[in-house]
Amino acid sequence: AQSVAQPEDQVNVAEGNPLTVKCTYSVSGNPYLFWYVQYPNRGLQFLLKYITGDNLVKGSYGFEAEFNKSQTSFHLKKPSALVSDSALYFCAVRLYNAGNMLTFGGGTRLMVKP
Amino acid sequence: NAGVTQTPKFQVLKTGQSMTLQCAQDMNHNSMYWYRQDPGMGLRLIYYSASEGTTDKGEVPNGYNVSRLNKREFSLRLESAAPSQTSVYFCASSEFGPRGQETQYFGPGTRLLVL
Repeated sequence: AQSVAQPEDQVNVAEGNPLTVKCTYSVSGNPYLFWYVQYPNRGLQFLLKYITGDNLVKGSYGFEAEFNKSQTSFHLKKPSALVSDSALYFCAVRLYNAGNMLTFGGGTRLMVKP
Repeated sequence: NAGVTQTPKFQVLKTGQSMTLQCAQDMNHNSMYWYRQDPGMGLRLIYYSASEGTTDKGEVPNGYNVSRLNKREFSLRLESAAPSQTSVYFCASSEFGPRGQETQYFGPGTRLLVL
């Protein structure tokens, strides 16, 4: 079975400061990892994904994520937060060759204050 | 290019009523999905269709049926709605690619309230 944990329901950060949204996963093989963002009353938008290769993945809107196999983590980061980054962020995992089952974490609300 | 569209945006049902949620995509994607989103639980897969003519159960299929009408359209039906089905429903589609690597693209959601 595969699972994803986002240990923080909410992350608060001041505009201009770096931000981190945490994600850990549990799978019994090599994972494919994804980050999605959801703005109010909207569907999820793809941010970035890790498939293989470089552990640091760069995505949309200046976000990046670091895959750490030993810690089974895939934390989302941004060097300088914007108020417009305030949204709900979801981490998701899929096991290689596990069909189309994408397992989502419970979500983390990011609040960036001016 | 509208991406993934869903109708209706919002619906109120009484317990026992039926309804069909519609989803269409114009990206020529092979795979389509239905999720429900509940507070603190992320998204859970209800059903998916890997390709036209096929459907499979996801994590929470009970109380739902689906139809892959053609490559563009994938509908979700509630035959007898229950209050536990109050949720936000998202349709998604993904491009064909090496299994597991596909990015899913989501519609704007349907907010359903069952009284």
